Amino acid sequence: AQSVAQPEDQVNVAEGNPLTVKCTYSVSGNPYLFWYVQYPNRGLQFLLKYITGDNLVKGSYGFEAEFNKSQTSFHLKKPSALVSDSALYFCAVKAGSYQLTFGKGTKLSVIP
Amino acid sequence: EAQVTQNPRYLITVTGKKLTVTCSQNMNHEYMSWYRQDPGLGLRQIYYSMNVEVTDKGDVPEGYKVSRKEKRNFPLILESPSPNQTSLYFCATQTGNQPQHFGDGTRLSIL
Repeated sequence: AQSVAQPEDQVNVAEGNPLTVKCTYSVSGNPYLFWYVQYPNRGLQFLLKYITGDNLVKGSYGFEAEFNKSQTSFHLKKPSALVSDSALYFCAVKAGSYQLTFGKGTKLSVIP
Repeated sequence: EAQVTQNPRYLITVTGKKLTVTCSQNMNHEYMSWYRQDPGLGLRQIYYSMNVEVTDKGDVPEGYKVSRKEKRNFPLILESPSPNQTSLYFCATQTGNQPQHFGDGTRLSIL
């Protein structure tokens, strides 16, 4: 069975500093990996995905993620955090079917 | 504009009173899914549908029903709601390996 771990319930970062939200996964076969963001009272919005190719994936709003096969990780990063980046972030994995397995989410707070 | 529309967005009801949450999409996606989101548990899949008349259980199907009579609609039915079904519910759609599209959610409170 596939699984996703987001080891931090909350990440606090000062505005302008780099941010990292961690994700590790477990799956049989080649993984398809996703990051989604959820703002209050909204559904999840797609940020970026890794299917194959370059290990560094660029997505929406200046976010990027690095796929590391040996460490089974897919950490979300941004060079300079904005207050508007404060939200709930979900990592998800899919292997061979439509079904996504989500992590429990990480609340990102960017402090002005 | 690609849309996944859920109704209602908010509902407070009582134990045992049947309710239906509707989900409609305008993207002709074959795959549709229902999730519930609870604090500290992330999103858990309730039911999914690979296409019309094809549905299957997710991780937490107990107490829920679904149907997929037409491609665009995938209603979630709670025949006899209980307080432990108080949650935030999301419908999502997908085609191929593209990302899933989510509705804005339905917050259910069952007293």
